[in-house]
Amino acid sequence: DSGVTQTPKHLITATGQRVTLRCSPRSGDLSVYWYQQSLDQGLQFLIQYYNGEERAKGNILERFSAQQFPDLHSELNLSSLELGDSALYFCASSVDGRAAYEQYFGPGTRLTVT
Amino acid sequence: AQSVTQLGSHVSVSEGALVLLRCNYSSSVPPYLFWYVQYPNQGLQLLLKYTSAATLVKGINGFEAEFKKSETSFHLTKPSAHMSDAAEYFCAVSLSGTYKYIFGTGTRLKVLA
Repeated sequence: DSGVTQTPKHLITATGQRVTLRCSPRSGDLSVYWYQQSLDQGLQFLIQYYNGEERAKGNILERFSAQQFPDLHSELNLSSLELGDSALYFCASSVDGRAAYEQYFGPGTRLTVT
Repeated sequence: AQSVTQLGSHVSVSEGALVLLRCNYSSSVPPYLFWYVQYPNQGLQLLLKYTSAATLVKGINGFEAEFKKSETSFHLTKPSAHMSDAAEYFCAVSLSGTYKYIFGTGTRLKVLA
């Protein structure tokens, strides 16, 4: 158990819908990362937050957005869903997001868009 | 620009044989390097990390990796493969002074009985 929690574990929804994925980092970690993992794209970095502020952006679509709240939990919002958005979404946390620190991954949310 | 390359998307070894998973990086400054393992239907888990203290790094489950600056490599090894080692392995690189963290494309290890 990494200490990172993600809810829900599974999500099935239809095209065009909007969903919210939730992540709680390890106790004491200030930085949160979001990743998308699919068979064809592999592990893709989406976005990073540190103590409530966006720190780095990766291959995140405009239909996707995220935020980190004062209690440090984070939410990833996916809207206008397409079939291709079906994937595993991971949240990870680290002490402060600096390069030397490893990331701790949650168990993921499996999103299926039908 | 920093990058990481994992050679071989699939590697098969016999149980008891040497495991060698390759990772090469490119960066203009000394990097921090990591190996993660992902078991089916789970998140990634840290195996080991290099942060310049020692070039040979020992990790969990009997794995180790050696940082070779001249070869810009950080290959992962294990002397004797076990069936439970079957998983996907990711190499990652980050640079001091940045917040960028780049994962390789992963190598799926299959262990044959």
